[in-house]
Amino acid sequence: AQSVSQHNHHVILSEAASLELGCNYSYGGTVNLFWYVQYPGQHLQLLLKYFSGDPLVKGIKGFEAEFIKSKFSFNLRKPSVQWSDTAEYFCAVNARGGGADGLTFGKGTHLIIQP
Amino acid sequence: DTGVSQNPRHKITKRGQNVTFRCDPISEHNRLYWYRQTLGQGPEFLTYFQNEAQLEKSRLLSDRFSAERPKGSFSTLEIQRTEQGDSAMYLCASSFRLAGGLETQYFGPGTRLLVL
Repeated sequence: AQSVSQHNHHVILSEAASLELGCNYSYGGTVNLFWYVQYPGQHLQLLLKYFSGDPLVKGIKGFEAEFIKSKFSFNLRKPSVQWSDTAEYFCAVNARGGGADGLTFGKGTHLIIQP
Repeated sequence: DTGVSQNPRHKITKRGQNVTFRCDPISEHNRLYWYRQTLGQGPEFLTYFQNEAQLEKSRLLSDRFSAERPKGSFSTLEIQRTEQGDSAMYLCASSFRLAGGLETQYFGPGTRLLVL
């Protein structure tokens, strides 16, 4: 079974600061990787995803993530955060072709951006 | 709105009662997933359907839980004899699975259950 670890449960940044949220997973096979975001009062939305190819993927709202296979990591980055980025961020993974198609989520990172 | 919808959005029930939630997926999505999310945790997978077939159940899905997707469209999740530990947000997601195992799940707003 796969597992996902998000290193920071709470992050507080000022506007214009750079952001990096850590995500590591454990699984021996091929995986699909996702970052979802949940803005206050809203439902989970897809931020970006990695299936294959270029390990640097770009998502919505200026976010990007880099898949480093050797480190089993898929860290989320944004060069300059905005107050509107305040939200809960979840890293998720599922196994490709392994029959375990449900997503395994990390516990989430609560990001607060101070104006 | 063409997203995933869930009803009701909130449910308060007394311990021991049965509850049923409904999920309407995005049209033409062949897969439908159920998750449970408690405070401070990420969503946890419960079960999923491909069309009307239930393909996988998590060990979290006790025998008090049952899910159906009778015509391969909407799905229902029923909890019998609710317990206080069942209090959580129940999330539904749908996807269209492509060849090679590629799919993206899109989530609904959830049903928040409180068992008193």
